[in-house]
Amino acid sequence: GQQLNQSPQSMFIQEGEDVSMNCTSSSIFNTWLWYKQDPGEGPVLLIALYKAGELTSNGRLTAQFGITRKDSFLNISASIPSDVGIYFCAGRIIQGAQKLVFGQGTRLTINP
Amino acid sequence: EAGVAQSPRYKIIEKRQSVAFWCNPISGHATLYWYQQILGQGPKLLIQFQNNGVVDDSQLPKDRFSAERLKGVDSTLKIQPAKLEDSAVYLCASSLRRGQPQHFGDGTRLSIL
Repeated sequence: GQQLNQSPQSMFIQEGEDVSMNCTSSSIFNTWLWYKQDPGEGPVLLIALYKAGELTSNGRLTAQFGITRKDSFLNISASIPSDVGIYFCAGRIIQGAQKLVFGQGTRLTINP
Repeated sequence: EAGVAQSPRYKIIEKRQSVAFWCNPISGHATLYWYQQILGQGPKLLIQFQNNGVVDDSQLPKDRFSAERLKGVDSTLKIQPAKLEDSAVYLCASSLRRGQPQHFGDGTRLSIL
């Protein structure tokens, strides 16, 4: 089945630093989504990407849909304490039910 | 608008017992999803409904898991009998229609003793 490789698994940074994480797959997806999950809560959608090569920003967050449609990255600029959490990428399969496949997550920890 | 509602928030049962979870999606959302999230992993789709019909249940362990969405609105997911490996957070999500962004509830955390 389809699998997403998300890296890094965890990051420890200083407040104010920029963050970069990515997802790769051997499968092609027609949509890439990035979610953030806080403890005890469900994932919250951050950015949705629908076209290969698309670059989309949401405040301090920027994400890109890879040209090959097999990868995506998420950047966070000037990190702040509330950015702490687990970030998940998700790819939508083109055929059939168009279900989402999630990566394993990147846990972000910020030292003030 | 109100988000996806799930209950209960927590459930502790012994193995071989049965358990049920409830989900009320965002009003007007035709597509409803149940995910299993094991600690340290991303959510894994168990079943997807379009209105009251099943679109995908290929990863649902049908010997013990069942789900229904009889009136095309709220849904229940049942496990009977539960196994130790079923300990996880069960997330419900909904979207306006298939292929649209999914909105998640806060999940039910299930612990099996």
